[in-house]
This record gives sequence, C-alpha cells and structure tokens, in this order.
Amino acid sequence: AQKITQTQPGMFVQEKEAVTLDCTYDTSDQSYGLFWCKQPSSGEMIFLIYQGSYDEQNATEGRYSLNFQKARKSANLVISASQLGDSAMYFCAMNYQGGSEKLVFGKGMKLTVNP
Amino acid sequence: EAGVVQSPRYKIIEKKQPVAFWCNPISGHNTLYWYRQNLGQGPELLIRYENEEAVDDSQLPKDRFSAERLKGVDSTLKIQPAELGDSAVYLCASSLQGGLNYGYTFGSGTRLTVV
Repeated sequence: AQKITQTQPGMFVQEKEAVTLDCTYDTSDQSYGLFWCKQPSSGEMIFLIYQGSYDEQNATEGRYSLNFQKARKSANLVISASQLGDSAMYFCAMNYQGGSEKLVFGKGMKLTVNP
Repeated sequence: EAGVVQSPRYKIIEKKQPVAFWCNPISGHNTLYWYRQNLGQGPELLIRYENEEAVDDSQLPKDRFSAERLKGVDSTLKIQPAELGDSAVYLCASSLQGGLNYGYTFGSGTRLTVV
C-alpha cells in the first residue's frame, strides 16, 4: 500500500530565508506522482508542485522546488525566500498508475514564517 | 474561470440530523472526488466519479453516506443520520481524466460540526 510520511509537525522560518519540508513515501509501483499542496487557514487545498516518478529532473515552480531522491524515496519541498503568506499547512501526497487516481496524503506539517 | 465551488462553507447540526453538501466542479472536468479531512490529518478519499459513474466508493460508509452526480456535472454528498465523529472538512476536487498530473483542483471545503 502507498504511504506518505511527514515527520515534522511544525517549523518556523524567518522571512526571506529558505526552508525545506521533509516527505518520504513508500510504494511498490514503478509509475507514480508526488505532489505538494498548501492549505491556508481558509481551508482550500492549493497544489504547488508535481514530480513524476520518471522525471529525471527535479520539478521547480517559481519559489518552490522538489528535491526528488528516488532511491531514498524522499520528495522534500524547498521554498526559497519565504514570505509571510507562506504560513500554512503543507501536505505531501502521491498517486499512482492503477490506483484509481486518488491521492494519498501525509498528515501535513505547519509552517510559520516570522517577520 | 471559476474554480471548484462548494457550499455551504460551514454547517453545524445536531447528531442524528441529515446534512448535504454540494459541489460544482471546473467546467470540462469529468472526474470528481469527495475527500474527508479530519482535524490534524490529511484528506482521505470517500468517493470518485468518472462522469456520472461512481468508480471508487470503497471508503464511503454506505450505511449513512450517499452521493450522487446526476448528469455528470454537479455532485451532492449526504449524511443521514450524522454522528459526532462525522465532524470534519469535506473537500470536493475535480480533474481531467488520464495520467498522473491532470489539473487536479480542490474546492474550499465544507466544515461540518456535529454537536
């Protein structure tokens, strides 16, 4: 079965600094996708970045980059130049070919950006 | 373009009462998902629709939960009767069919409190 592990319950970072959010996953599938999502206090789930298991390069989207280490089964999110608006819950998730396209989420972690 | 629209945003009901949530997906998205997010956890899939067909409802508690997606567009999720443990955020999402990264978009959710 697919499983996402996020061990950091919460992190604090100073505005304009970079921060890394950890995510490890477990799957026996060869073809899968990894996502990071942001959930502010308003409750909406916002997709930030996607990495396919066969993608050779790490995904980047603006200030977000995904440090994908397939052999270690880790998919850490790096946020460069943190902003106050980055304060939110962050979830790592995955889906997999043949898995009915549902997303399996980790428990999430809370990021607080301090001015 | 409007995103995934859910209503109501908040609902407080007494236990044993019925409740219904509504979701309007992004135009053209043929796949619709209902997720339940308990406090401090990541979302978990309840049911997935491909057009009007429920293709994965294995995690839907069918004794009290029901869902429908008439005409393959809007969807309604119902709980009857509600229990205290049903208090959670109910998220609707939609996507295009096919592949692992296909425009997945979540709504803002309905926060249900059962008292």
